[in-house]
Amino acid sequence: GAGVSQSPRYKVAKRGQDVALRCDPISGHVSLFWYQQALGQGPEFLTYFQNEAQLDKSGLPSDRFFAERPEGSVSTLKIQRTQQEDSAVYLCASRSGRVGEQYFGPGTRLTVT
Amino acid sequence: KQEVTQIPAALSVPEGENLVLNCSFTDSAIYNLQWFRQDPGKGLTSLLLIQSSQREQTSGRLNASLDKSSGRSTLYIAASQPGDSATYLCAGSGGGADGLTFGKGTHLIIQP
Repeated sequence: GAGVSQSPRYKVAKRGQDVALRCDPISGHVSLFWYQQALGQGPEFLTYFQNEAQLDKSGLPSDRFFAERPEGSVSTLKIQRTQQEDSAVYLCASRSGRVGEQYFGPGTRLTVT
Repeated sequence: KQEVTQIPAALSVPEGENLVLNCSFTDSAIYNLQWFRQDPGKGLTSLLLIQSSQREQTSGRLNASLDKSSGRSTLYIAASQPGDSATYLCAGSGGGADGLTFGKGTHLIIQP
């Protein structure tokens, strides 16, 4: 079966532009997570969905970051007015239930110039 | 807030050696402990998950243990191969948070 997929794989944005990153979780997975990974660091938690409900957004670094999962499957992470410090790899993960193993997608590498 | 530390940051060993990667965490209320590998430019591949009620998990040449009382987990790799070269990350969940808290990883090189 297909794993977690993310698109685009690479995105270059000029400072100030808005970007939208997409995550397709494993079919039927209830839980979905977004993480941000800076170069040479471990991923850092951004936000968590259970079905369509965003239960935890404590890791979102600013109000420029917004995530949604309106139908409980595909999720979009939107960054408004991008800044250079937003340059990172954005990873999406899904989990079949409320507990257990998280499965990660390949990530989207965002470069803000 | 949970903090996860991995030692060493980098390790280079000849092929065939057995090795141990270490992970320590500050909050003993950890629920799950998951080990991943990450290849350059790629996402994370899950290796082993140790749930709260478990003390270790094994998969092939890999064995991971969890000691919540001491705040430590180890990943044991037996008979290392060049294909094991990657960055290994440990991550824990718990303390009311569903998201994983990651260490910075151990960059492992297995010399042919």
